Amino acid sequence: GEDVEQSLFLSVREGDSSVINCTYTDSSSTYLYWYKQEPGAGLQLLTYIFSNMDMKQDQRLTVLLNKKDKHLSLRIADTQTGDSAIYFCAELGNDYKLSFGAGTTVTVRA
Amino acid sequence: DAMVIQNPRYQVTQFGKPVTLSCSQTLNHNVMYWYQQKSSQAPKLLFHYYDKDFNNEADTPDNFQSRRPNTSFCFLDIRSPGLGDAAMYLCATSGRQGAMNTQYFGPGTRLTVL
Repeated sequence: GEDVEQSLFLSVREGDSSVINCTYTDSSSTYLYWYKQEPGAGLQLLTYIFSNMDMKQDQRLTVLLNKKDKHLSLRIADTQTGDSAIYFCAELGNDYKLSFGAGTTVTVRA
Repeated sequence: DAMVIQNPRYQVTQFGKPVTLSCSQTLNHNVMYWYQQKSSQAPKLLFHYYDKDFNNEADTPDNFQSRRPNTSFCFLDIRSPGLGDAAMYLCATSGRQGAMNTQYFGPGTRLTVL
């Protein structure tokens, strides 16, 4: 099975950039995703990247993919208090199932 | 506009009393998924429907069943809830082709077992 790993916690000052890192193991993954989960809520799709891309930018979000190292990162520019949440990295396997990391809890401090 | 809707948002049941959770979608996606998420953990896939074809995960307990009467609706039935089944239950949908594989999640149902 696939293993997706993330650091568990990140604390960032409001206005700074946040970088959340993820490593995955399935080199045949076609899509990689970032989901955001606020307390008591479902998973909100933030962005995804196709495996043949190196970078994708969407407003304050930048996704970088290093396929050689199987490393994915999510950068949030100008982090706001509303960005406090758990962020899940996920890869789509050949069986069309998602493998999730354990989630990174991002805390934004004033 | 809500695309994946789950009802109820909070459900309380008694130990051993059957409970049904509901999911509906307006995306016309052909795949619907049910996940269980316990506190501080990643979602765990229980099963999914590809159209009418039911696909159970190997480690999903028999206590969990699902029904999909039509494209829009999918139900999760827990026949005899135990204390260990208290969790957030998430429904998701996808179109299963290319970028349509992207899964969209509902808001979840928080199940409490007394």
